[in-house]
Amino acid sequence: EIVLTQSPTTMAASPGEKVTLNCLASSSVSYMNWYQQKSGASPKLWIYGTSNLASGVPNRFSGSGSGTSYSLTISSMEAEDVATYYCLQLSSYPLTFGSGTKLEIK
Amino acid sequence: EVQLVETGGGLVQPGNSLKLSCATSGFTFSTAWMNWIRQTPGKRLEWLAQIEDKSNNYFISYLESVKGRFTISRDDSKSSVYLQMNNLKEEDTAIYYCTWESVRWGQGVMVTVSS
Repeated sequence: EIVLTQSPTTMAASPGEKVTLNCLASSSVSYMNWYQQKSGASPKLWIYGTSNLASGVPNRFSGSGSGTSYSLTISSMEAEDVATYYCLQLSSYPLTFGSGTKLEIK
Repeated sequence: EVQLVETGGGLVQPGNSLKLSCATSGFTFSTAWMNWIRQTPGKRLEWLAQIEDKSNNYFISYLESVKGRFTISRDDSKSSVYLQMNNLKEEDTAIYYCTWESVRWGQGVMVTVSS
């Protein structure tokens, strides 16, 4: 089973600040998906195939990475970005999620 | 509009069974690979099972820890996917989501296993 470790667990960013969330895999994966979950809602696909933004996702978001190291970056933090972000690997079964990064605003 | 609606959750005693249903619309269900994923009270997401489409002989994959207790199935004529859960344990308490290829998620249904 591939274990995904997300860091940081929690972080707070100021409006306009650049934010980077990390996802480290215990073995190499082909690509990574990212999900955004707001309080009381279901997770939403946010980034797929490592770097492709899902429909409706603002272009201040970007994804990158390869092998065992992946990241989600917000170029300029906005209040609406407050949420928990999870990574998901689909390269091997069982599919596994990271434990999430809770992003707050200062 | 894509919709996935889970039903069948509730409070159940340990050792008992429950069957979740997920009715879908807005996409071609017959060619879709469907999943069940759960979120624990601690917010951890856990993939449980996947069923592929007819062209892949409805191939099924399970998380090892639920294999033998949980059964995923589908009815293409009803655009629905199901999760039969037997011998439920307190640690199965979670929100259960059905998903279309991990792209679109339902609103989830709560399952509480407690005496």
